[in-house]
Amino acid sequence: EAGVAQSPRYKIIEKRQSVAFWCNPISGHATLYWYQQILGQGPKLLIQFQNNGVVDDSQLPKDRFSAERLKGVDSTLKIQPAKLEDSAVYLCASSSRGGGLFFGSGTQLSVL
Amino acid sequence: AQSVTQLDSQVPVFEEAPVELRCNYSSSVSVYLFWYVQYPNQGLQLLLKYLSGSTLVKGINGFEAEFNKSQTSFHLRKPSVHISDTAEYFCAVSHSGGYQKVTFGTGTKLQVIP
Repeated sequence: EAGVAQSPRYKIIEKRQSVAFWCNPISGHATLYWYQQILGQGPKLLIQFQNNGVVDDSQLPKDRFSAERLKGVDSTLKIQPAKLEDSAVYLCASSSRGGGLFFGSGTQLSVL
Repeated sequence: AQSVTQLDSQVPVFEEAPVELRCNYSSSVSVYLFWYVQYPNQGLQLLLKYLSGSTLVKGINGFEAEFNKSQTSFHLRKPSVHISDTAEYFCAVSHSGGYQKVTFGTGTKLQVIP
């Protein structure tokens, strides 16, 4: 069974630029999550999708972050414009009910 | 709202010694509980989970955890650690119903000393 795929693996941008991350969840998993993990901290939920609908985006900075999940499968997370404090690892995860989260390898973002 | 507290940010332990990583949670409803491991420069991997039933849960790599509802704890244990267990460990909680928002603790770095 293929795992959660994320790209790119690393990204370096300058502040005020835009960036996008892509995630392909495990086949059949209805729930998809985007987490932000700042160095030395635990993952923080940015947005949670159930199929292609948003069920929680309470911690998503909506003035600069956006996310979508096309046809209930792939998802993209975008930051525009980026700030220095957005430097972090962005983790995508998917799950089936009660199964626990399966994570991708993450995208390490550095904003200079 | 739910939350997770991992009291120990770092735990050094000698190889082949036992280890316990502590986790306490807060929630007003029934919960699912998880432990994840993160090796350097990698994503998180599920170690074990408690959904219901037996309070002692066994996971991969010889780890186990015990759900204690009265103490709202879910401590992770291993009787004998190896160098390869050096990693960061995260406890997580979600409600057992609804859309299962998963909240993570701040993590505990386990350092196994040869």
